[in-house]
Amino acid sequence: GQNIDQPTEMTATEGAIVQINCTYQTSGFNGLFWYQQHAGEAPTFLSYNVLDGLEEKGRFSSFLSRSKGYSYLLLKELQMKDSASYLCAVTRYGGSQGNLIFGKGTKLSVKP
Amino acid sequence: DTAVSQTPKYLVTQMGNDKSIKCEQNLGHDTMYWYKQDSKKFLKIMFSYNNKELIINETVPNRFSPKSPDKAHLNLHINSLELGDSAVYFCASSHDTSGGGDTQYFGPGTRLTVL
Repeated sequence: GQNIDQPTEMTATEGAIVQINCTYQTSGFNGLFWYQQHAGEAPTFLSYNVLDGLEEKGRFSSFLSRSKGYSYLLLKELQMKDSASYLCAVTRYGGSQGNLIFGKGTKLSVKP
Repeated sequence: DTAVSQTPKYLVTQMGNDKSIKCEQNLGHDTMYWYKQDSKKFLKIMFSYNNKELIINETVPNRFSPKSPDKAHLNLHINSLELGDSAVYFCASSHDTSGGGDTQYFGPGTRLTVL
């Protein structure tokens, strides 16, 4: 089976840095996506990691360790508009390789 | 200019009715998906189609039937609606399957409420 864990909620202050962790246990792991979802809106793509290491994109970075089954999303210089849910999702090899298997999401609240 | 569009945005209906949700993408993608997001915001794959052929059917009741008239459209028909079907349904598309790392682009969602 598969299991994806991320914290349910986090709170951070505007201008600060926050790290959202995701651990996974899944057979046939291929890669890991991070999506952002504002309340009442569609998920939007943030990042994709398939190799170990850090991928940086502006204020957002994502890290993957395949051996540890671990990823994190790092948000720098937090802005109020970053208040949203952040969804970790894995993809697998095999018959269901088109799947995104999502974690339950981390709701981030950014306070002034 | 909308990449992935869904209609309707809101759907309120009685238990036992049959309803359809439509999805269209103008990105030229080969793969389309339907997801269900429940009240706890958990997003779960239901179906995946690649070039009009079903390639994934997660454990979904037979009351749900996807139909793909062409690769730009993937509609979802639901028979005999139940209270537990109330959720937000998202359509998505990707160039190829995400097993190869292709990003999925999501539609705006359809909020279905079954009374």
